[in-house]
Amino acid sequence: SAVISQKPSRDICQRGTSLTIQCQVDSQVTMMFWYRQQPGQSLTLIATANQGSEATYESGFVIDKFPISRPNLTFSTLTVSNMSPEDSSIYLCSVWVTGREQFFGPGTRLTVL
Amino acid sequence: KNEVEQSPQNLTAQEGEFITINCSYSVGISALHWLQQHPGGGIVSLFMLSSGKKKHGRLIATINIQEKHSSLHITASHPRDSAVYICAVSQGAQKLVFGQGTRLTINP
Repeated sequence: SAVISQKPSRDICQRGTSLTIQCQVDSQVTMMFWYRQQPGQSLTLIATANQGSEATYESGFVIDKFPISRPNLTFSTLTVSNMSPEDSSIYLCSVWVTGREQFFGPGTRLTVL
Repeated sequence: KNEVEQSPQNLTAQEGEFITINCSYSVGISALHWLQQHPGGGIVSLFMLSSGKKKHGRLIATINIQEKHSSLHITASHPRDSAVYICAVSQGAQKLVFGQGTRLTINP
């Protein structure tokens, strides 16, 4: 299995500011995924982060708004930039353990005022 | 039309009842996942299925590939089973496409 931790667990931020969310995995994984869950909605994939290469963003998400770092095989960050109230969501990272299943972090609950 | 549809969207039952949540999908998949999300937001993977049936404790998941349909069953339901249950499919690229979730409430 894989144990994933995220920091912060929750935050309240002012519009126009940026927040960086950290995701730490207890084992080396090739691919990490960042998801967003807006209030009352299901999860939407923001981007896939591979170590040593640029993240691959899904339609509707851009690097300027959601820059991602992946410095090694156990760690990634997602920054939510120039935040607005519409960015209020739960942000989750996940990893896929080959032949097993997908593991999710506990999520970061973001509120933008 | 969403690629993954769940029913019902909301389900309230009494403790001890047998629960069924359904998931239909319209795309080719490599696997189907059932996930559980508690109020705090964290998600736990319950099952990953590519065929047949899996059982874990009081939870049973089945999939019919020909009909593109899966069900999640909970036997002898308990208030601690109250959560949002999410069906998701993967299409070989490890990315998941999610259903909208089923909010289950089990009353004592």
